[in-house]
Amino acid sequence: KQEVTQIPAALSVPEGENLVLNCSFTDSAIYNLQWFRQDPGKGLTSLLLIQSSQREQTSGRLNASLDKSSGRSTLYIAASQPGDSATYLCAVRDETSGSRLTFGEGTQLTVNP
Amino acid sequence: EAGVAQSPRYKIIEKRQSVAFWCNPISGHATLYWYQQILGQGPKLLIQFQNNGVVDDSQLPKDRFSAERLKGVDSTLKIQPAKLEDSAVYLCASSRRVGGPNYGYTFGSGTRLTVV
Repeated sequence: KQEVTQIPAALSVPEGENLVLNCSFTDSAIYNLQWFRQDPGKGLTSLLLIQSSQREQTSGRLNASLDKSSGRSTLYIAASQPGDSATYLCAVRDETSGSRLTFGEGTQLTVNP
Repeated sequence: EAGVAQSPRYKIIEKRQSVAFWCNPISGHATLYWYQQILGQGPKLLIQFQNNGVVDDSQLPKDRFSAERLKGVDSTLKIQPAKLEDSAVYLCASSRRVGGPNYGYTFGSGTRLTVV
């Protein structure tokens, strides 16, 4: 059974700092990994999707990497801004659970002005 | 393209009452999912449809939860009777097709249910 863990559970940083969020998964037979952002009381916004054959994806100040063999992914946020404050969730789609996404519990990020 | 639409945005009911949520996926997305997100946790899949057929409902509490997707487009999720532990955000998502695992998901804004 796939399990996804995100560390840290919460993170508070000053504006302008570069930061890294971590995600690990137990079953490396995945199709892809997706990073989402969730604002309080809102749904999930997809940030980056990394296929199992890819090593990284970039979008603006965000860079996500994937090391499938070790079961790890990182989300790097450059020059953080207060508007980046949200919960960040990673989810994997693996070969044994079909289309189901297995989520971590998220990292709650606060960027202080 | 238009996003995944969900309604209502919020709902407060008393325990043992019934409630229904509605979802309209992105046009052309054959696969539709309902997820339950309890406060402080990641979302958990309740049910997955491809067109109007159920692909996975292994985690759906079938004694009180039901879902349907008529004509392979809109979907409704119903809870009857509700329990206090059903308080959560109910998220609907869609993707292009179950046969294409490389496609990502698009989520709606969710319905926040509070059972009192």
